[in-house]
Amino acid sequence: SQQGEEDPQALSIQEGENATMNCSYKTSINNLQWYRQNSGRGLVHLILIRSNEREKHSGRLRVTLDTSKKSSSLLITASRAADTASYFCATATRSGGSNYKLTFGKGTLLTVNP
Amino acid sequence: NAGVTQTPKFQVLKTGQSMTLQCAQDMNHEYMSWYRQDPGMGLRLIHYSVGAGITDQGEVPNGYNVSRSTTEDFPLRLLSAAPSQTSVYFCASREQPNTGELFFGEGSRLTVL
Repeated sequence: SQQGEEDPQALSIQEGENATMNCSYKTSINNLQWYRQNSGRGLVHLILIRSNEREKHSGRLRVTLDTSKKSSSLLITASRAADTASYFCATATRSGGSNYKLTFGKGTLLTVNP
Repeated sequence: NAGVTQTPKFQVLKTGQSMTLQCAQDMNHEYMSWYRQDPGMGLRLIHYSVGAGITDQGEVPNGYNVSRSTTEDFPLRLLSAAPSQTSVYFCASREQPNTGELFFGEGSRLTVL
């Protein structure tokens, strides 16, 4: 079963515009993470937000978390062609004892046109 | 510092053949895991390990076997390959019991004919 679901599935914007991607999930989480995947490559961690945090920034990235709505958003400001990639949210939930598992959504494909 | 290294990058198998996907990390991470990525399905957890000698099943473990004899290595074995196992496989590791970020390998693309 999919814990995180990204929206939209695909997003196409012009260079310099902002890109917003959303993630919804179903159960209580320890934290929520965003990853980027360039075509044909592995996933790269972007940012982590804990369940007791509401907003976090890292460079041109801004992540918000609303645990009451079980949703998160990733904002990329002043986008560049190099930001073209798939973006995944992943939720960390307890899987037994002190172990946590990360469950990934299906991703948003972002295309930034020069 | 190589991070997470996966081999091979590409492999073609015939139905019924067996093979092992190799994964090694040099970050002394306790936690290692295998995911498969299929179009429209996102990443799904196959097996994971929280330390040497300890493995557990993920979401889609059937048809796969793992072992963890050292901290560095976490091979994934396909016992009898099926076309449904055509996928891109990713190995990932992180510090344990840290709930932080996963470090991914570059992936192994497997085709089963």
